[in-house]
Amino acid sequence: EIVLTQSPGTLSLSPGERATLSCRASQSVWNNYLAWYQQKPGQAPRLLIYGASSRATGIPDRFSGSGSGTDFTLTISRLEPEDFAVYYCQQYDGLSTFGPGTKVEIK
Amino acid sequence: QVQLVQSGAEVKKPGASVKVSCKGSGYSFTKYGIDWVRQAPGQGLEWMGWISADNGNTKYAQKLLGRVTLTTDTSASTAYMELRSLRSDDTAVYYCAIIDGVVGFDYWGQGTLVTVSS
Repeated sequence: EIVLTQSPGTLSLSPGERATLSCRASQSVWNNYLAWYQQKPGQAPRLLIYGASSRATGIPDRFSGSGSGTDFTLTISRLEPEDFAVYYCQQYDGLSTFGPGTKVEIK
Repeated sequence: QVQLVQSGAEVKKPGASVKVSCKGSGYSFTKYGIDWVRQAPGQGLEWMGWISADNGNTKYAQKLLGRVTLTTDTSASTAYMELRSLRSDDTAVYYCAIIDGVVGFDYWGQGTLVTVSS
């Protein structure tokens, strides 16, 4: 089973700032089958990025994903008020697993 | 439009079983597999397993192997998740979802709260 580690646990930023979230896998993720999700309180998660770097349908271009192998990054170029939420990475190489999440909170 | 509608909240005693349903509509049910994901109160997401609605093939998280069974009833366009030998730490919101990580889309059910308490 691939274990995902996310850092930091909490990111305190102001609207308009850049957010950089990290996801590290315990072993290489085949074919970069790595996704990022956003979750707000009381809501189901929403897919943002798939295949490590492709934006899902309807996702604004301020969200971008990068990385390969074991190290992946989600970048939010300029935080909007609606972007303050919890973000999870997920690998779907065989048996899937989620990372523990990064909370992006308003500073 | 694609919709996944889950069954209602459940309260179960430790040691019991629960079966949550997930009815798909707005698409051909056998076209997509169904993932099951749970989230304990205040905690992160946990992937439980996946079932192909086409041929019934399954994948299960190692942690839940032997306690969880995923099934589908294609005539009813419904997927089911059964969890046995319930413990208090199984208390969570259980989601069904269609997640396509190759084309890049997802649809989620509304979630079903399962509470395990004596």
